[in-house]
Amino acid sequence: KNQVEQSPQSLIILEGKNCTLQCNYTVSPFSNLRWYKQDTGRGPVSLTIMTFSENTKSNGRYTATLDADTKQSSLHITASQLSDSASYICVVTRYGNNRLAFGKGNQVVVIP
Amino acid sequence: KAGVTQTPRYLIKTRGQQVTLSCSPISGHRSVSWYQQTPGQGLQFLFEYFSETQRNKGNFPGRFSGRQFSNSRSEMNVSTLELGDSALYLCASSPPEETNEPLHFGNGTRLTVT
Repeated sequence: KNQVEQSPQSLIILEGKNCTLQCNYTVSPFSNLRWYKQDTGRGPVSLTIMTFSENTKSNGRYTATLDADTKQSSLHITASQLSDSASYICVVTRYGNNRLAFGKGNQVVVIP
Repeated sequence: KAGVTQTPRYLIKTRGQQVTLSCSPISGHRSVSWYQQTPGQGLQFLFEYFSETQRNKGNFPGRFSGRQFSNSRSEMNVSTLELGDSALYLCASSPPEETNEPLHFGNGTRLTVT
């Protein structure tokens, strides 16, 4: 079983609307959690990093939350734009050996 | 600062052939890691190199190998290609110190095996 599960697998949203992506993990012990954005044909780019003591962090229209007790994170996209069409990948770092566990990504398509 | 550079961008090979992919990390980054990305499996870790030594390895067969040079540039090699090796191969670099720096990915090499 994958240590990082993301949902929904894919979604289509109208330009200007908000959406929320979910990431549940079982990695333990926990070091940090990152959200990456991957545009088609490009490599992933880091959006945010959340450590154990942080529960909200924003990067422009992207807001990530973390609940380390329930091992859940979300990425909220506000007022979506066409350029938000991408895959969003949740990556969790294991404390100690710094091994990374990758989710399979949330595929977001924003339509005009 | 130039980003991570991967060459070539696209490759088409035949089953049974071998292939070598190249990665130039960001200047000053000594850690280079490689990943295979497929639609069904997402990103899967292949191996990581630091100062010319393999530091970690994923669960891939021995047909997948890599190396790192003294200038931190890295190559990965896949021998006896199989159809299932068709994927996007991503390289990432990170600074040498243990920080919360993210991985910096290249744009990948798209390998198609026919």
